[in-house]
Order: sequence, then C-alpha cells, then structure tokens
Amino acid sequence: SQKIEQNSEALNIQEGKTATLTCNYTNYSPAYLQWYRQDPGRGPVFLLLIRENEKEKRKERLKVTFDTTLKQSLFHITASQPADSATYLCALAAGGSGNTGKLIFGQGTTLQVKP
Amino acid sequence: GAGVSQTPSNKVTEKGKYVELRCDPISGHTALYWYRQSLGQGPEFLIYFQGTGAADDSGLPNDRFFAVRPEGSVSTLKIQRTERGDSAVYLCASSLGGRIWTEAFFGQGTRLTVV
Repeated sequence: SQKIEQNSEALNIQEGKTATLTCNYTNYSPAYLQWYRQDPGRGPVFLLLIRENEKEKRKERLKVTFDTTLKQSLFHITASQPADSATYLCALAAGGSGNTGKLIFGQGTTLQVKP
Repeated sequence: GAGVSQTPSNKVTEKGKYVELRCDPISGHTALYWYRQSLGQGPEFLIYFQGTGAADDSGLPNDRFFAVRPEGSVSTLKIQRTERGDSAVYLCASSLGGRIWTEAFFGQGTRLTVV
C-alpha cells in the first residue's frame, strides 16, 4: 500500500543550527511533493513544493531536496530560530501530475528550537 | 474574509446525533477540500470539490459522511449517526483550482468531539 513516513520522534535543536527533517515514501511515483508547517490549533500552512524533475528548491532559510530514486525528501531549516518550532508535514499528490485535491500527508515531525 | 473560515471551531455532540460542519473558502477559489486529522497524525483526505461537483470522494470513510457545495462556494460536511471514532479535527482547504496546481489554504479546523 502507499505510505509516507516522517520521523515520529520530536526533533530538538539549538537556535542557530540547521534542522533536517526526513520524508520517505513507498509505492508512489509522485509528480511533486509539498511541505507544510502546522502550529497547535491551526491548519497547515504551505511552505514549498518540489517537482519530480527538480533536485533541490530553496526559499529564504528553507531548502528541500527530492530524490525519486531513494523515494525521499529532506527539508532543511538553516539558522533555526525558536519561532520555527512547529510540526512539519510532507505531502504527496496521490493522483499523479496535474491539479489533484487528494494529498496524502505524512504524520508530521515536531521541531523544537531551543534558545 | 481573507482566509478560509470554518464554523463552529468546536463541536461536542452525543453518539448517534447528526452534525454539520461549515466551510467558507477564499472568494474565487473553485477547488475545495475536506480533510480529517487525529491527534499526532497528518491530515487524512476525505473529499475534493471542483466547483459544485465532488471530483473525488474516495476518502469518505462510509455512507454516514456526506458533503455538499451547492453554489460552488460554501461547503457543508454532514455526519449522520456520529460515533466516538469520528472525533477529530476536520480541516477545510481551498485553492484556485484548474489544471495547474496552486497553493491550498487551510482553515483552522473544527474540533469534533463525540461523547
């Protein structure tokens, strides 16, 4: 069956360090992969999308890589700040390319950045 | 409003009762999605509307769940004969829609508790 897995254990890092979160998937050939941030009591907020033909994407302090051979995406936050503390979700479009509303989410990894 | 609005924010109901959850998408967004999120898990897809029609309802768990979007804007998720296992946060999201993927914006969710 199709499955997306993220580190279920919380990630605790010191302010200023780089946080690296992992997303692995099986039995998918996604056209693109997305990362979201979710704060307690709030809905997810879209951060980045990376397509299958892109190896890496950057946005300010965020960097995402996508390895379709390993079936893995890595999400990096450089120069982390306490305000980056949240749960980060990866998501794949279940229906292949194009606009599909059916996103399959991982369970999320909680990041705690300590000052 | 500026974002996706969901009402009520919290709903407590007795087992066996009927509930309706409302979603007001961002104006002009033709695509609307419903997800369900349990504690410690990522959002789970329920149904996707493109305009007034349900483009994909494969995530609805059983026939107690039904959703409508009669005028292509506001949507209502309806749950009949609620069960304790239906307790979760129900999230709604909307996007511009169309053939090209565009960012989905989530509401804050409705926390449903079935007692």
